[in-house]
Amino acid sequence: EVQLVQSGAEVKKPGESLKISCEGSGYSFTSYWIAWVRQMPGKGLEWMGIFYPGNSNTRYSPSFQGQVTISADKSISTAYLQWSSLKASDTAMYYCARSTYVGSAFDIWGQGTMVTVSS
Amino acid sequence: QSALTQPASVSGSPGQSITISCTGTSSDVGGYNYVSWYQQHPGKAPKLMIGEVSNRPSGVPDRFSGSKSGNTASLTISGLQAEDEADYYCTSYTSSGGRLFGGGTKLTVL
Repeated sequence: EVQLVQSGAEVKKPGESLKISCEGSGYSFTSYWIAWVRQMPGKGLEWMGIFYPGNSNTRYSPSFQGQVTISADKSISTAYLQWSSLKASDTAMYYCARSTYVGSAFDIWGQGTMVTVSS
Repeated sequence: QSALTQPASVSGSPGQSITISCTGTSSDVGGYNYVSWYQQHPGKAPKLMIGEVSNRPSGVPDRFSGSKSGNTASLTISGLQAEDEADYYCTSYTSSGGRLFGGGTKLTVL
């Protein structure tokens, strides 16, 4: 079965760092793009960026450039989304999703990782 | 970059048809056949319903269809069923090499 499994919910304080993960299985991890999508409480979906594990090609939304880092470890078929200094406004559900091409549809989604940032 | 424009809400009775629009520009929706539609039920991850303007993935009922004209894409659901009640989002590839999502449309089945 093709699936993306994300790491569990996180509760952090402002200023802390965080790295959440998205493990792909049932397909060739290096042959598909992995995107990250934010959904703030009660709000819509926002595209954060996309990464191609085959050659580490990365693109960010202007809204998230410099705020987060997207990466992957091909050896364990896992993509990451990380913050160096969290803010309360980073509180949201984060989804990873797979696409065949940089512009094509997201056919497989992870279950989501809830990140709560609160003092 | 502004989000693609979707109606905030639409509604219909069981058995009826509804259409959700997704309006962008020639730099996104109008410029590429990379428009896709997602269904999201409360507390769940989004699910792909239509890819590349009109391609329906295996397992998605043929009641769901997609189209595009100029800078506006559309999702049509015919024979509306209670389980279709959900939020629907469009997304498009953009000329800057990224993606834009629509603001989302809440579908209510009366």
